[in-house]
Amino acid sequence: DVKVTQSSRYLVKRTGEKVFLECVQDMDHENMFWYRQDPGLGLRLIYFSYDVKMKEKGDIPEGYSVSREKKERFSLILESASTNQTSMYLCASSLGGRLYEQFFGPGTRLTVL
Amino acid sequence: AQTVTQSQPEMSVQEAETVTLSCTYDTSESDYYLFWYKQPPSRQMILVIRQEAYKQQNATENRFSVNFQKAAKSFSLKISDSQLGDAAMYFCAYREYYGGSQGNLIFGKGTKLSVKP
Repeated sequence: DVKVTQSSRYLVKRTGEKVFLECVQDMDHENMFWYRQDPGLGLRLIYFSYDVKMKEKGDIPEGYSVSREKKERFSLILESASTNQTSMYLCASSLGGRLYEQFFGPGTRLTVL
Repeated sequence: AQTVTQSQPEMSVQEAETVTLSCTYDTSESDYYLFWYKQPPSRQMILVIRQEAYKQQNATENRFSVNFQKAAKSFSLKISDSQLGDAAMYFCAYREYYGGSQGNLIFGKGTKLSVKP
């Protein structure tokens, strides 16, 4: 079965802390994505990666960075968390190419106090 | 830039009835893909159905079907014989066929569907 896992379902951090969100997929997918989901705004793409060590900015990359050192793992980093980064974060992966569907992880609900 | 609009923030349907969720999109491309994703409460988002723009036939997956109107840029989802398990947030999404992006999806804001027993 296809599986995308995220390191935490719920996370509470303080303003200014460095935060790491981890995502792992076991499907040997080339592409991996980080989205942010907010009520009334849908899903917005933060960053994506189409290969190891490759990354591209999405629609809202400000305040975030990513790391992909291994094919199966894609990390989202908040260098200095702020309250406006309180949100649900979804990771997804897909095979290369535009036809293939994205498989989503369960999400991490991050609260920044 | 492409946009996806879901004009119904919330909808409700009686169990066993049929409901249609609306989605419109804006693009200047002729080839693209469209998707409907379902996100049940506290559960992972899953693909419901997909449509390739160059195919005229509407996609169908069991109780789920789409009405794809390319000229009108409309892509509605019809759920027949609604079940309690269909209660979820539904997202419409668009993807370019060509271009430099590697499978990036553009999502609508979602429609929350409630199913009444």
